Amino acid sequence: QVRLQESGPGLVKPSETLSLTCTVSGVSIGSTTKYWGWGWIRQAPGKGLEWIGTFDYSGSSDYNPSLKSRVSISADTSKNEFSLKLSSVTAADTAVYFCARQGDQGRCTPAICYPGSHVDSWGQGILVTVSS
Amino acid sequence: DIVMTQSPDSLAVSLGERATINCKSSQDIFYTSNSQNYLAWYQQKPGQPPKLLIYWSSIRDSGVPDRFTGSGSGTDFTLTISSLQVEDVGVYFCHQYYITPFTFGQGTKLEI
Repeated sequence: QVRLQESGPGLVKPSETLSLTCTVSGVSIGSTTKYWGWGWIRQAPGKGLEWIGTFDYSGSSDYNPSLKSRVSISADTSKNEFSLKLSSVTAADTAVYFCARQGDQGRCTPAICYPGSHVDSWGQGILVTVSS
Repeated sequence: DIVMTQSPDSLAVSLGERATINCKSSQDIFYTSNSQNYLAWYQQKPGQPPKLLIYWSSIRDSGVPDRFTGSGSGTDFTLTISSLQVEDVGVYFCHQYYITPFTFGQGTKLEI
């Protein structure tokens, strides 16, 4: 049974960098037998879901173009965790941030493989407020 | 980007009655190479993360009651709850994972 848990500061000042970590238990994020996608999705208060980015250990990764210049996702397989950094935050980045596991059957074309499929496991979410 | 548009935005259904939620994608999300629709449905309750209900447009996730049915192909999809129960109240989202950026519908709020 996979479990994901977000951690990090709940308050970030404008223009600073938001940093969150997702600790995974029950499965290895570095598995080479199943290339799950590991990623981040956010939800502004009272709003819908916005995909931030996903990576898998087959080498596929991608970020939402709307955030690409400010976002990075990295992983530490020794700790079985992955992290999100979002720079130059504004009030518009205030949201609940979910870490998520996506299924291992991302679509592959001759040119590209997409990282992951449906989200089969979610963290509980962490509210991050951007305010001075 | 593929835009996912759900209808209606909100829906009130009597207990035991049928609820139908529609989702339309701005592009075809059926992949002919494996004959799969890259579409999932989630249910979200207040203060909780979304919960996976349906994937590959029609496959029910483990433990999801069989009153939930996903259907459709190409650009038009439907989530049907055959006999509404109290615990089905929440917001429902569709999600395309055909191409990045992965995108979600705006949500449909389901009430009794």
